Amino acid sequence: DTGVSQNPRHKITKRGQNVTFRCDPISEHNRLYWYRQTLGQGPEFLTYFQNEAQLEKSRLLSDRFSAERPKGSFSTLEIQRTEQGDSAMYLCASSLDRVAYFGPGTRLTVT
Amino acid sequence: DQQVKQNSPSLSVQEGRISILNCDYTNSMFDYFLWYKKYPAEGPTFLISISSIKDKNEDGRFTVFLNKSAKHLSLHIVPSQPGDSAVYFCAALANAGGTSYGKLTFGQGTILTVHP
Repeated sequence: DTGVSQNPRHKITKRGQNVTFRCDPISEHNRLYWYRQTLGQGPEFLTYFQNEAQLEKSRLLSDRFSAERPKGSFSTLEIQRTEQGDSAMYLCASSLDRVAYFGPGTRLTVT
Repeated sequence: DQQVKQNSPSLSVQEGRISILNCDYTNSMFDYFLWYKKYPAEGPTFLISISSIKDKNEDGRFTVFLNKSAKHLSLHIVPSQPGDSAVYFCAALANAGGTSYGKLTFGQGTILTVHP
């Protein structure tokens, strides 16, 4: 399978804990994106990398959120001091041109 | 502000008939539009796209129409099949510095149910 992969698929954590998610994009794609989706809404843009450079961050991405893409390959999204409002599906996507291909997502539940 | 709107939360259609999903946008900088389909517990799957220089794009049972003056696009599925039952999202790309990249702005989605 050469699609976008994300790990873990599900994460349950207690409020105040830190969590980290991983995304492996399609290998030849130089662009990588993180989105967040809550129930009944469409995905919302969080941040975007071109190769290893983080080119844009949404104002939704508070200072508790940090994303990296070392060496321009896989990416990690870390949430520090999680809050119940962080509960959502976190989606990663990659692209070579204008069409983004999404991974299966990581479902985060903060209790 | 909701720059991409899908005003119908749900649509129910009989198998074999046409499904028409609608989407409106407000940002004049959007120049590329995509439709994604999403099943529960999965990520969105790309279906079809259209550039603002066109008014129609077809791929098998799926056709997307774009009316730039009305800032409106629609996805037609003919004939509809039970396996098409999913949430459909309209998404738009803005032209930034001469190229549109993948920062997508999504609508809220429309739940399509196709009855056998």
